[in-house]
Amino acid sequence: EPEVTQTPSHQVTQMGQEVILRCVPISNHLYFYWYRQILGQKVEFLVSFYNNEISEKSEIFDDQFSVERPDGSNFTLKIRSTKLEDSAMYFCASSTTKAGNTIYFGEGSWLTVV
Amino acid sequence: RKEVEQDPGPFNVPEGATVAFNCTYSNSASQSFFWYRQDCRKEPKLLMSVYSSGNEDGRFTAQLNRASQYISLLIRDSKLSDSATYLCVVKEISGGGADGLTFGKGTHLIIQP
Repeated sequence: EPEVTQTPSHQVTQMGQEVILRCVPISNHLYFYWYRQILGQKVEFLVSFYNNEISEKSEIFDDQFSVERPDGSNFTLKIRSTKLEDSAMYFCASSTTKAGNTIYFGEGSWLTVV
Repeated sequence: RKEVEQDPGPFNVPEGATVAFNCTYSNSASQSFFWYRQDCRKEPKLLMSVYSSGNEDGRFTAQLNRASQYISLLIRDSKLSDSATYLCVVKEISGGGADGLTFGKGTHLIIQP
């Protein structure tokens, strides 16, 4: 079964540092997403990406965050000047359509900011 | 503000029992509804979509009441492997910030042998 892959699985970074989380979406998917889940909290939508540009973003996705699709396969989330409250599991997802029943999530990247 | 509310549980039920979860959502413009399953420290995985007419997938039955903005999930003949957190998820109508899924915090289910 095709899957969304994410790297790293776990990263520890010092407050103020920049972090890049990487994702390889499923190859024939057109829509790409980042979600985050703070420990013990709900999964929250950050951003969606389609046709090489941001399609939608939530209020969480402020100037500290950026996304990029540098080549035909990778989809990255950059977090600048990390804060303690950025510690969370970050899930990448991809889908063939905007319909919710076609979304597949990666296993997540656990970010710990110290 | 879009909200999806669930009883966090935990629900402790014996193997073989039937268990039901409920969920309410605040945005009447919500268009699509789902139940996801999330195991500890794992990614959410789609369990089933929820349709207005109600739908069944094996031991799982989902119901939607649009008038009451209420969604339910019924699990029959529960198995040990059903132990997980069940996430109620809604998607808004297209456009206007609707790309993302809105998740509830989840209901934790523990099936006991």
